[in-house]
Amino acid sequence: AQTVTQSQPEMSVQEAETVTLSCTYDTSENNYYLFWYKQPPSRQMILVIRQEAYKQQNATENRFSVNFQKAAKSFSLKISDSQLGDTAMYFCAFMKSLISGGYNKLIFGAGTRLAVHP
Amino acid sequence: NAGVTQTPKFRVLKTGQSMTLLCAQDMNHEYMYWYRQDPGMGLRLIHYSVGEGTTAKGEVPDGYNVSRLKKQNFLLGLESAAPSQTSVYFCASNEPGYEQYFGPGTRLTVT
Repeated sequence: AQTVTQSQPEMSVQEAETVTLSCTYDTSENNYYLFWYKQPPSRQMILVIRQEAYKQQNATENRFSVNFQKAAKSFSLKISDSQLGDTAMYFCAFMKSLISGGYNKLIFGAGTRLAVHP
Repeated sequence: NAGVTQTPKFRVLKTGQSMTLLCAQDMNHEYMYWYRQDPGMGLRLIHYSVGEGTTAKGEVPDGYNVSRLKKQNFLLGLESAAPSQTSVYFCASNEPGYEQYFGPGTRLTVT
């Protein structure tokens, strides 16, 4: 069974600085996807970034980038130039590829609460 | 294009009462899901559907039932609510192999 671990329950950062959120996962699958979702106080789950396991290049989306280390089963999220609007819970999630059979079940970590201070 | 919508947004039930949560998506997605989110935990899958007329159990299905009579709707039912079902419920949908899109959530309190 797959598991996702986020070892940092809470983090804080000053506005305009850079912060990295950690995520590790355990799986025997070779084909899968990894995601970071953001959940602001509004509760809405918002997709931040997506990484396909078969791609060696790390995904980037504007100020958000990942460090994907497949062998180490590590998937960290870096937020550059932090903004007050980045304050939220961040969830790392794993999804098995359909090639492996089954369905697109998302397995979530427990989340990291990020506070951005002015 | 409203995406994924959920009704109601909030609800308070007494122990033993029943209710149905409605999820609707206008993206023509095949797959739909119901999750619950409890404090200090990520989302956990209750039930899911891989197409109209199909449903299957997820990680925490006990005490819940679901139906998917129309492709765009996925209903979650609580037949006899218990305090342990106090939670925030999220619906999601996706096309196979792509990211899931989430609704805004329903906060349910069972007293």
